Amino acid sequence: AQSVTQLGSHVSVSEGALVLLRCNYSSSVPPYLFWYVQYPNQGLQLLLKYTTGATLVKGINGFEAEFKKSETSFHLTKPSAHMSDAAEYFCAVSESGGYNKLIFGAGTRLAVHP
Amino acid sequence: DAGVIQSPRHEVTEMGQEVTLRCKPISGHNSLFWYRQTMMRGLELLIYFNNNVPIDDSGMPEDRFSAKMPNASFSTLKIQPSEPRDSAVYFCASSPHLAGRTDTQYFGPGTRLTVL
Repeated sequence: AQSVTQLGSHVSVSEGALVLLRCNYSSSVPPYLFWYVQYPNQGLQLLLKYTTGATLVKGINGFEAEFKKSETSFHLTKPSAHMSDAAEYFCAVSESGGYNKLIFGAGTRLAVHP
Repeated sequence: DAGVIQSPRHEVTEMGQEVTLRCKPISGHNSLFWYRQTMMRGLELLIYFNNNVPIDDSGMPEDRFSAKMPNASFSTLKIQPSEPRDSAVYFCASSPHLAGRTDTQYFGPGTRLTVL
């Protein structure tokens, strides 16, 4: 069965600093990986996803993630944090089967301070 | 498009009462998901519909929970009777189901349920 581990339930960075949110997955089939963001009192919004092809995936709002099969990782990065990036971020893997059944990690809450 | 619409946004009820949560998916999407989010268990898939038919309800916690999708533009999640441990945020999401495992899911704003 697939699973996702997000290291660090809370991450705090300064505005302008590098953002690094860690995600490791476990999958018995070629993984399809997703990052979603949840702003306060809102639903989840897709940031980016890896399906096949290029292992460096670019998403919205300047975020990107790199799929590393050897490390079973899909870490999310952004070179320069903005105050508006403060939110909760969820990594997910699509479970094997006929539809996009997502298995979510526990989430990482990102705080950005001036 | 207005996105996925959920109602009500907040619901406070007393233990033993029936609760009905509603969802309108994005027009043209033929996959619909209900999730529950709690601090203890995170985001859990409750049920998945495709073309209005329940395909996977393995996440429905118990018989007190039921979900229906009478047509392509409406779904309900009902809890009867409700219990305090059902307190959570319930999300509805829809997807165009174009490519299966790689499809993007579009989430509604959620319904925050509090059972006293």
